[in-house]
Amino acid sequence: EPEVTQTPSHQVTQMGQEVILRCVPISNHLYFYWYRQILGQKVEFLVSFYNNEISEKSEIFDDQFSVERPDGSNFTLKIRSTKLEDSAMYFCASAFVAEAFFGQGTRLTVV
Amino acid sequence: GESVGLHLPTLSVQEGDNSIINCAYSNSASDYFIWYKQESGKGPQFIIDIRSNMDKRQGQRVTVLLNKTVKHLSLQIAATQPGDSAVYFCAEKVNNQGGKLIFGQGTELSVKP
Repeated sequence: EPEVTQTPSHQVTQMGQEVILRCVPISNHLYFYWYRQILGQKVEFLVSFYNNEISEKSEIFDDQFSVERPDGSNFTLKIRSTKLEDSAMYFCASAFVAEAFFGQGTRLTVV
Repeated sequence: GESVGLHLPTLSVQEGDNSIINCAYSNSASDYFIWYKQESGKGPQFIIDIRSNMDKRQGQRVTVLLNKTVKHLSLQIAATQPGDSAVYFCAEKVNNQGGKLIFGQGTELSVKP
C-alpha cells in the first residue's frame, strides 16, 4: 500500500540553526501539506502546496519557513533559524483530491 | 511560563462494547469531514470520511454520523478491540479538493481487556 514517508524520524538541532525536513508523498497525489503537533496538542495546519506553489498558509508559517518540491518526488520544509517553540512533531501529508494521508512524522527538538 | 498541553477528553470502554466518539466542528461552510486515529508516536491514520451531502457512512466496524444542523460529527466503533486504543481526531475541510484540514481537539480512547 502506498504511503507517505518522512525523514529523519527525529532531528535535534540547536536554536538558530537551519533544518530541512523531508517527505516523499504518495506518487500520484496532487496536493501536499505540512502540519505540526506540539506535544499533547492537536494537529495544526502549516501550509498547502499545489501545482508547484503554495496554495494556502497559516499564520504560523512565517518568513522563517519555506517549502520546496525540488523534483517529482520530494517535498521539503525548511526552517531557517529554529526557535525553542518550533519543537514539535512535523507531519507531511498528501492527497489526490480530498482524502489526505499522513506520514509518520519528524520529531524536531530544538535545544 | 511553562506551556501545558490540552487535557484530552477520554473515553474508557470494555473490550467488545461499542464506542461513540463525538466532535463539534466549527465552520458551517465545511463540506468534507474525516476521522483520524493517532497512536502514540505515529502520524494520523485515515479511518473514514463523509461529505456534507450525506448524514451517515459506514465502513468496516466504523460508522460516521453527520448532523449539519448542530455541526456535530460522531464516530461509532463496533465491538471495540484493544488495538482501537488511540487518540481520535475529527477534521473538517471547507474545500474538499485540496483544502486544508482543521483538526479538532481529539479524544483518547482506552479499551480495557
